[in-house]
Amino acid sequence: GIQVEQSPPDLILQEGANSTLRCNFSDSVNNLQWFHQNPWGQLINLFYIPSGTKQNGRLSATTVATERYSLLYISSSQTTDSGVYFCAVDRAPGGYQKVTFGTGTKLQVIP
Amino acid sequence: SQTIHQWPATLVQPVGSPLSLECTVEGTSNPNLYWYRQAAGRGLQLLFYSVGIGQISSEVPQNLSASRPQDRQFILSSKKLLLSDSGFYLCAWRGDGGGNTFGSGTRLTVV
Repeated sequence: GIQVEQSPPDLILQEGANSTLRCNFSDSVNNLQWFHQNPWGQLINLFYIPSGTKQNGRLSATTVATERYSLLYISSSQTTDSGVYFCAVDRAPGGYQKVTFGTGTKLQVIP
Repeated sequence: SQTIHQWPATLVQPVGSPLSLECTVEGTSNPNLYWYRQAAGRGLQLLFYSVGIGQISSEVPQNLSASRPQDRQFILSSKKLLLSDSGFYLCAWRGDGGGNTFGSGTRLTVV
């Protein structure tokens, strides 16, 4: 199956700092998503980004499918950004929509 | 708009007891439905997915089973819980195009 690796595994930021999270995947995919899991366990879909660049407020994401990686940028970090960030990939359509998650990046933003 | 409901939020069950977790989706038809388990705060493991009523695919052999009796209802069950079944269980749905939306999760502790 597809292997999904995320880096760094852990990250501590001072409030206001910027950061880049990386997701590498081992095979071609049709879809890629970024999620944020808050301290209460809720998973929130941040981006659905099979290719290209998208921005949503202080967050943006870029996926280069041909080179099998995606980046999540967090600018001017806030304490509410703390939690675990996951990327997830799948090959739908054309195959079943099995979504494979990476191991996550645990982010802690300190005031 | 689409919503996903998952209950209960927390559950403590003795070893050997049965389990039934329910997930329902509103505002969409014929969604792809998923059950994931997350152990130790990292790494979501896909347990089951379903593309339609009565259609269940299992990703890993385990002590659990799933059923889809109605289009927008997905149930995770066990006849006899093991200690190793403890974890955070998440239900998710996905429509045509776009990404996955997750329920709020059930934290199961088997004692």
